[in-house]
Amino acid sequence: QKEVEQDPGPLSVPEGAIVSLNCTYSNSAFQYFMWYRQYSRKGPELLMYTYSSGNKEDGRFTAQVDKSSKYISLFIRDSQPSDSATYLCAMSAPGGYNKLIFGAGTRLAVHP
Amino acid sequence: DGGITQSPKYLFRKEGQNVTLSCEQNLNHDAMYWYRQDPGQGLRLIYYSQIVNDFQKGDIAEGYSVSREKKESFPLTVTSAQKNPTAFYLCASSFTGNTEAFFGQGTRLTVV
Repeated sequence: QKEVEQDPGPLSVPEGAIVSLNCTYSNSAFQYFMWYRQYSRKGPELLMYTYSSGNKEDGRFTAQVDKSSKYISLFIRDSQPSDSATYLCAMSAPGGYNKLIFGAGTRLAVHP
Repeated sequence: DGGITQSPKYLFRKEGQNVTLSCEQNLNHDAMYWYRQDPGQGLRLIYYSQIVNDFQKGDIAEGYSVSREKKESFPLTVTSAQKNPTAFYLCASSFTGNTEAFFGQGTRLTVV
């Protein structure tokens, strides 16, 4: 079993839809949670960074962490065609080297 | 502008050759990382370093080597021992203790 599970999709939605992207994990020591957006043939770009549990909002993006369920989510409101990309979740535990564990990524397509 | 620069963007290697991928950052980050990305598998950690002249193996270090002689630079050598080197290679950096990692634009290596 992988430490971080993420549905690879693809997920196809119409413009303006609310998108929900999710990851589950098995390591209860994870405290830092990140979402990256990656366009084709480019490096990942950090979208959201959350420490421990709770919600964080930034514009059209909301990140949620539920540590009791070992489940994290990224919501995109009013989705745009420019949001079409692969979304990667990543997480790590405190202490030691900063070893980030990534999910496989979910490919999202927003069509006009 | 501050950032992470990877070069070259595309690299072709013949069977049995060693090749070196460059990664330079001017963000004053202490920690640097190399990841490999294959379709449908997310990012897998090859090597990471938190300080000059020190580095640690990641999950898939076999067939790779690194050096960290300067804080700004973390080159990766793909040796002939790496049996399946064709992949997209990503370099990242962060401050020690802060797991927000920022990525370069990647190097696509192809064995011909």
